[in-house]
Amino acid sequence: ETGVTQTPRHLVMGMTNKKSLKCEQHLGHNAMYWYKQSAKKPLELMFVYNFKEQTENNSVPSRFSPECPNSSHLFLHLHTLQPEDSALYLCASSQGRAGANVLTFGAGSRLTVL
Amino acid sequence: DQQVKQNSPSLSVQEGRISILNCDYTNSMFDYFLWYKKYPAEGPTFLISISSIKDKNEDGRFTVFLNKSAKHLSLHIVPSQPGDSAVYFCAAEGGNQFYFGTGTSLTVIP
Repeated sequence: ETGVTQTPRHLVMGMTNKKSLKCEQHLGHNAMYWYKQSAKKPLELMFVYNFKEQTENNSVPSRFSPECPNSSHLFLHLHTLQPEDSALYLCASSQGRAGANVLTFGAGSRLTVL
Repeated sequence: DQQVKQNSPSLSVQEGRISILNCDYTNSMFDYFLWYKKYPAEGPTFLISISSIKDKNEDGRFTVFLNKSAKHLSLHIVPSQPGDSAVYFCAAEGGNQFYFGTGTSLTVIP
């Protein structure tokens, strides 16, 4: 596989469920990101990992918990979510160095919270 | 406060004509500016970028112009093709962080 792969592509969960989103990149990149895309809003940066270390937590509620076990894998653990958390969650990766970085995105995980 | 703005949510253009998508930003410290294209049910894909030290970058049918004094950039697509119909996101990079606009939905009419 190449590029950035996200699973599942669609997820429906209740407010009391616990689920996880998974992201895997095969590009040899050092930085991985979680973004949230809601309707009519800009992509919102949630978390950044550089060389497996979290370098950014953009005031995200604790019901979202990221995990980066290695530079190729990134998870977003979800628990006790709210209906307003329903959105498209996009994973991305980049070289993670100064200079011309380009984000490579996965296809996204469409989350619906009932 | 939103650092990157795309004030036109949608744009329709006839096939063969020029499409111009606009973007404004507030932070003069951004290093690079990028355009991404997104089809439904897919993630955004990188289209073209420009360094803050340049004012133009061209790649085939796509040209990005940067006006630093106005904190404005634009993407020109010429000639426009029906396959260009997608949502276009403007992004700015600073300190390995990326800031995105809300997107402009382009429809190219055959």
